[in-house]
Amino acid sequence: QQQVKQSPQSLIVQKGGIPIINCAYENTAFDYFPWYQQFPGKGPALLIAIRPDVSEKKEGRFTISFNKSAKQFSLHIMDSQPGDSATYFCAARVSGGSNYKLTFGKGTLLTVNP
Amino acid sequence: EAQVTQNPRYLITVTGKKLTVTCSQNMNHEYMSWYRQDPGLGLRQIYYSMNVEVTDKGDVPEGYKVSRKEKRNFPLILESPSPNQTSLYFCASSLNPRTDTQYFGPGTRLTVL
Repeated sequence: QQQVKQSPQSLIVQKGGIPIINCAYENTAFDYFPWYQQFPGKGPALLIAIRPDVSEKKEGRFTISFNKSAKQFSLHIMDSQPGDSATYFCAARVSGGSNYKLTFGKGTLLTVNP
Repeated sequence: EAQVTQNPRYLITVTGKKLTVTCSQNMNHEYMSWYRQDPGLGLRQIYYSMNVEVTDKGDVPEGYKVSRKEKRNFPLILESPSPNQTSLYFCASSLNPRTDTQYFGPGTRLTVL
């Protein structure tokens, strides 16, 4: 059972474009939704995160939109640059209980062409 | 520099030959975890540890063991590796997983022939 569904699998945009990556979740106990950015040969690094009490969070050129009723959240990258080319993972976590594991989506390979 | 380190970074081995992938963090983090990353599957948790001597299974623990004898180290042990354990492995740690993010190591690419 895939608890976090991510789309698209890959995405190509031109420099300056606004790529949008979408994720949907099933477990209503999730209460923390981070996005990770991964460059080749590196581990995932936290990019931005949101909790379900807000509908949008912006950090620099990166924005998360969150729709609690639809159980969906998305990442928008404004004015995308070639240096943003990476794999992006959405994730979700339950803050209570005995394990704080991150449940990841399958990832989106983003290519930003010059 | 605050970091999570893994060794080795690359390993090619044969079926059945026991191996250990080490993970160490210098941030005094309580929580540590191992994930494996496979194409089209994202990252899946193997084992986690809330503190020294406290470990538990994640989603895909079969074929793996861990130990947490010291706070800074969390080795992943494959007693009898099989080809289906060929994967990219990441160790992660967090000071307080309830409120803080998890920091990932650089990864270990394992190939089991």
